[in-house]
Amino acid sequence: AQSVTQLDSQVPVFEEAPVELRCNYSSSVSVYLFWYVQYPNQGLQLLLKYLSGSTLVKGINGFEAEFNKSQTSFHLRKPSVHISDTAEYFCAVSSSNDYKLSFGAGTTVTVRA
Amino acid sequence: ETGVTQSPTHLIKTRGQQVTLRCSSQSGHNTVSWYQQALGQGPQFIFQYYREEENGRGNFPPRFSGLQFPNYSSELNVNALELDDSALYLCASSGGTGGTEAFFGQGTRLTVV
Repeated sequence: AQSVTQLDSQVPVFEEAPVELRCNYSSSVSVYLFWYVQYPNQGLQLLLKYLSGSTLVKGINGFEAEFNKSQTSFHLRKPSVHISDTAEYFCAVSSSNDYKLSFGAGTTVTVRA
Repeated sequence: ETGVTQSPTHLIKTRGQQVTLRCSSQSGHNTVSWYQQALGQGPQFIFQYYREEENGRGNFPPRFSGLQFPNYSSELNVNALELDDSALYLCASSGGTGGTEAFFGQGTRLTVV
């Protein structure tokens, strides 16, 4: 079984400032890692995913994440945020390729002008 | 655009009633997973269907049941509704030509009164 801990429940940030959302996972097997974004009253949209290979993963909307196996972390970053990045962000893990996702509790990002 | 559609979008039911939620998977996908997202929490895995067979179940009671049809669309049924069943129910399709990504629908908001 896998589990995910998102270390920050809320992250306020000013427009054009950088942001980092922290995610740690636990698993006894190899995992795939994901970050999803959820805008109000909508479903989940995939930002990026780590399956294998390079530990630095680039996603949509200028987001990137780094997989650190020794620290079992998969932190999400964006160098300069926009108002439109205000949303809920979820880190998720699955074992291998079974599509069964375990999600963290989410981080609410609020971008202020 | 994900191509995963869920119906209805909103639903209000009375405690003790039964409800059926529907999901049309994206073309080419053979796997459907259902998640429950309570307010302010991350999605929780309910179960998954692969080629019309249940392929894994989360920690949900038997009154949560499902079906997958030959066209890979799916239903989630919940009997004897309880107030705590109020949540956003998300369907995700994957597999087949979808590769490693799970594509989510917009969800069904269920309110039990």
